[in-house]
Amino acid sequence: GESVGLHLPTLSVQEGDNSIINCAYSNSASDYFIWYKQESGKGPQFIIDIRSNMDKRQGQRVTVLLNKTVKHLSLQIAATQPGDSAVYFCAENTSGQNFVFGPGTRLSVLP
Amino acid sequence: KAGVTQTPRYLIKTRGQQVTLSCSPISGHRSVSWYQQTPGQGLQFLFEYFSETQRNKGNFPGRFSGRQFSNSRSEMNVSTLELGDSALYLCASRLSGRSYEQYFGPGTRLTVT
Repeated sequence: GESVGLHLPTLSVQEGDNSIINCAYSNSASDYFIWYKQESGKGPQFIIDIRSNMDKRQGQRVTVLLNKTVKHLSLQIAATQPGDSAVYFCAENTSGQNFVFGPGTRLSVLP
Repeated sequence: KAGVTQTPRYLIKTRGQQVTLSCSPISGHRSVSWYQQTPGQGLQFLFEYFSETQRNKGNFPGRFSGRQFSNSRSEMNVSTLELGDSALYLCASRLSGRSYEQYFGPGTRLTVT
């Protein structure tokens, strides 16, 4: 797919298990974060966001955790399904300026 | 509400030519950003337009330019194409320059031969 990197980290999980995808961000002043999912041949799809005044936010089957102390963001997907197979990107934003994206993680769901 | 649309979806050009890509944001969104996505470099920010003005610019050569129209539609242009310009070009829109939620279009796949 378009988002494949030669050295893209890959996470393989069994269908039905929980997935945890990690992201280290670069700017301690970043105040907003988004997780995107990109399937082959498609543009990134907005999954969930979180502001820096929160440390956890839950959506449908997904949870984002923010640890500002170590500049770390994680995306947890509950009961991972085959349709969750994709590349996942985190993006950080500082004061409404342009987004900076992480390198992405490929999630592979095993039957 | 319709999402972000981009045209064309696929394009093949020859080195030295120029190309124009088009993006229509989500209705009501006034900020449009452009990104280049390649396997080696990932997602890289090109520029952002808001109310017909370039608001932010990434680290790309002057061959890459853009504009935004009064209806918020945006175009980006790449002149004197190089092989390394082959990439997926993504457009994303958000409500305003200070609104954070950003939504992407499907992209234009540009191949330079």
